[in-house]
Amino acid sequence: GAGVSQSPRYKVAKRGQDVALRCDPISGHVSLFWYQQALGQGPEFLTYFQNEAQLDKSGLPSDRFFAERPEGSVSTLKIQRTQQEDSAVYLCASSSGTGWEPLHFGNGTRLTVT
Amino acid sequence: GIQVEQSPPDLILQEGANSTLRCNFSDSVNNLQWFHQNPWGQLINLFYIPSGTKQNGRLSATTVATERYSLLYISSSQTTDSGVYFCAVGAFGYALNFGKGTSLLVTP
Repeated sequence: GAGVSQSPRYKVAKRGQDVALRCDPISGHVSLFWYQQALGQGPEFLTYFQNEAQLDKSGLPSDRFFAERPEGSVSTLKIQRTQQEDSAVYLCASSSGTGWEPLHFGNGTRLTVT
Repeated sequence: GIQVEQSPPDLILQEGANSTLRCNFSDSVNNLQWFHQNPWGQLINLFYIPSGTKQNGRLSATTVATERYSLLYISSSQTTDSGVYFCAVGAFGYALNFGKGTSLLVTP
């Protein structure tokens, strides 16, 4: 596609519910990243995929967070048993290569846990 | 991780004015990018600039890697330039560390 597409745009979950956030990267992009952005802060790294391989998950805040990219294109970030502190904007980004290239971000999913 | 400090934190300009945003970082980097987050939350990549100087229209950026800073210049500012400007750096590995951003408001 022309850009990185994320869905849903907004998600409201009751505390304890599971959520799944989808990212469709730019077609052909090898690298895919997930970031979390709290209100008034810069994005913080969560995890990185190169094709279908998850090479870095050091930023995932707890084992309630899980990400996958099974066919090396679309990715899903899943949060189990959501907590209020999970409320944030979740941003997906992709880049064309495997090294250091410009990142292209999607519009994000705003998650509110009530 | 690498610490990123951006200054100023807030900036108000009148349309047509020029400005310089600064990004200091605490260690050597292999990756430095500038982003603009518009009022609707969209993060737009402005520059990939681990070293050297680049220009794109009214925007230009310079990174002096040996002195661990980067500058973003905005000339003839327009109201559409409003938003938050982020500097993000990376060294080894894949993660980019973002600064807290400079919030820019351009008034008519």
